[in-house]
Amino acid sequence: EPEVTQTPSHQVTQMGQEVILRCVPISNHLYFYWYRQILGQKVEFLVSFYNNEISEKSEIFDDQFSVERPDGSNFTLKIRSTKLEDSAMYFCASSLGTGPYEQYFGPGTRLTVT
Amino acid sequence: AQSVAQPEDQVNVAEGNPLTVKCTYSVSGNPYLFWYVQYPNRGLQFLLKYITGDNLVKGSYGFEAEFNKSQTSFHLKKPSALVSDSALYFCAVRDGGNTPLVFGKGTRLSVIA
Repeated sequence: EPEVTQTPSHQVTQMGQEVILRCVPISNHLYFYWYRQILGQKVEFLVSFYNNEISEKSEIFDDQFSVERPDGSNFTLKIRSTKLEDSAMYFCASSLGTGPYEQYFGPGTRLTVT
Repeated sequence: AQSVAQPEDQVNVAEGNPLTVKCTYSVSGNPYLFWYVQYPNRGLQFLLKYITGDNLVKGSYGFEAEFNKSQTSFHLKKPSALVSDSALYFCAVRDGGNTPLVFGKGTRLSVIA
């Protein structure tokens, strides 16, 4: 069964450094998403991406964040200058469509900012 | 704005007993409702969804959920719990179209042998 994959599984970085989190969505999916989950809190939407552009973003997704689909398979989330409060589990998801279509989630990348 | 409430942080149930994990929602239009499960150190796995039609929807691993429009609820149920069902369960809603998926805070289910 196809699945969403994410690398790395754990990333430790120093405050102020740039990080890139990588995802390979399910191959025939058209919509891509990033979510984050701060330890012990709810899963929060960051951004959705369709047809090579951002279709929706949350207040969390400020100028420090960017997303890119550099080729036909990868989907990346970049944080330009990490802050301590960026420490969280970051989940990538993909779906065939929007609305009633379920999203399929990757295993997550745990980002620790020191 | 859409929102989801999961009123219980923790649900404990004995193996073999029925289980219910509660979820209520708030949307301005017609909701699309989802349940996901998260096992330790894993991503969220899709269990089931309600789009329209029959209020009782069946999903993976014997789980089902009942949509109740008047009570704005979408409770997750299973007739006979297994120890392997122990996990974190998330209810989520989207208000049609391409609005973001909004999650509840999660309910930890513990099934005791």
